[in-house]
Amino acid sequence: DGGITQSPKYLFRKEGQNVTLSCEQNLNHDAMYWYRQDPGQGLRLIYYSQIVNDFQKGDIAEGYSVSREKKESFPLTVTSAQKNPTAFYLCASSPRAPQETQYFGPGTRLLVL
Amino acid sequence: AQSVSQHNHHVILSEAASLELGCNYSYGGTVNLFWYVQYPGQHLQLLLKYFSGDPLVKGIKGFEAEFIKSKFSFNLRKPSVQWSDTAEYFCAVKAAGNKLTFGGGTRVLVKP
Repeated sequence: DGGITQSPKYLFRKEGQNVTLSCEQNLNHDAMYWYRQDPGQGLRLIYYSQIVNDFQKGDIAEGYSVSREKKESFPLTVTSAQKNPTAFYLCASSPRAPQETQYFGPGTRLLVL
Repeated sequence: AQSVSQHNHHVILSEAASLELGCNYSYGGTVNLFWYVQYPGQHLQLLLKYFSGDPLVKGIKGFEAEFIKSKFSFNLRKPSVQWSDTAEYFCAVKAAGNKLTFGGGTRVLVKP
């Protein structure tokens, strides 16, 4: 089956710890994205990558880091610098323009205690 | 900066009622428009999209949306909802060269 997988589904961490969220896609898409979803605020873009070994900050990149060493993988690290990390994190991917429709993974819910 | 507004945060209606969700955006140039849906416990799915051509777009599950360029709007409609349409709906807009920007979402509850 083609699609986007995110693991784990739920993640608990203590305050001050870094945590890495996994995102893998087998759709052969060039671009990948990380969003954060909070109630009433829709989805906000954290980081995105249009091609391997390149990525750009989105609207709320502070306290997060990413890497794109392989086309299929785009892990997100939530660092201790992120002031309010508890949220639902969504990964997405899309093919190149013009058909740039983004397809989403199932999400990871991160709870920082 | 590009912005997307969904004016209704919560909508409650009965089965067989008609649904219309508003979406307005701020960008004045060429845009690609999307509606996504998130059913309870499921991941975000594409409902329909508009890139060009006929401004009335039909999507899955009986949904449609109309692009009105003069009003910067892309409202979502369904003539007769079902209980299974209970979900959160997100409008999203992409301008050329820009990122995809999402509205705040509208939670729809359909009472059986």
